[in-house]
Amino acid sequence: GENVEQHPSTLSVQEGDSAVIKCTYSDSASNYFPWYKQELGKRPQLIIDIRSNVGEKKDQRIAVTLNKTAKHFSLHITETQPEDSAVYFCAASIAGGFKTIFGAGTRLFVKA
Amino acid sequence: GAVVSQHPSWVICKSGTSVKIECRSLDFQATTMFWYRQFPKQSLMLMATSNEGSKATYEQGVEKDKFLINHASLTLSTLTVTSAHPEDSSFYICSGGAVEDTQYFGPGTRLTVL
Repeated sequence: GENVEQHPSTLSVQEGDSAVIKCTYSDSASNYFPWYKQELGKRPQLIIDIRSNVGEKKDQRIAVTLNKTAKHFSLHITETQPEDSAVYFCAASIAGGFKTIFGAGTRLFVKA
Repeated sequence: GAVVSQHPSWVICKSGTSVKIECRSLDFQATTMFWYRQFPKQSLMLMATSNEGSKATYEQGVEKDKFLINHASLTLSTLTVTSAHPEDSSFYICSGGAVEDTQYFGPGTRLTVL
């Protein structure tokens, strides 16, 4: 089955700096890669997603890149703000409503 | 985005009792819903896939007789933790899909077994 690895487990940056979180997946059939942000005690919220027919996607300060050949995908947050502090999860699934497998999560701290 | 609700938001029960958690899709129909468990400071671990009108599909290591899943309608899936023990204490979250492949999560249920 699918296995998703995520690094780093903890990331601390200064406000205004960029943050990068990297993930790899094992199942070449996976073609949908969402990223979720989870604040303490709350549900995960989708922040951006990318499909396998696209190499990069950007939404304001957030961007995601995908390398299908290497089975790598990354989340980039620019101009980080304290409210970006949370746990971020990458995930992989097969389009069509198949189960989503999550990475272990990255705890991001943005220092003011 | 689509809305998924869960009830109760938290529950405390005695060891040996059973607890039922409901997951509802409020503005869309979900033929498939997913149940996850999340321990403190850990990731979401998929427990099972709930299929409307048929048996749930459980992930390896998840006891189907302990975690009973029923998906009786297109908007409701239930998870019953039977004979709960302290090690079952966790944050249980369901999700359902509405738009393409995006999964929308319920607010979660925090279960504490004394």
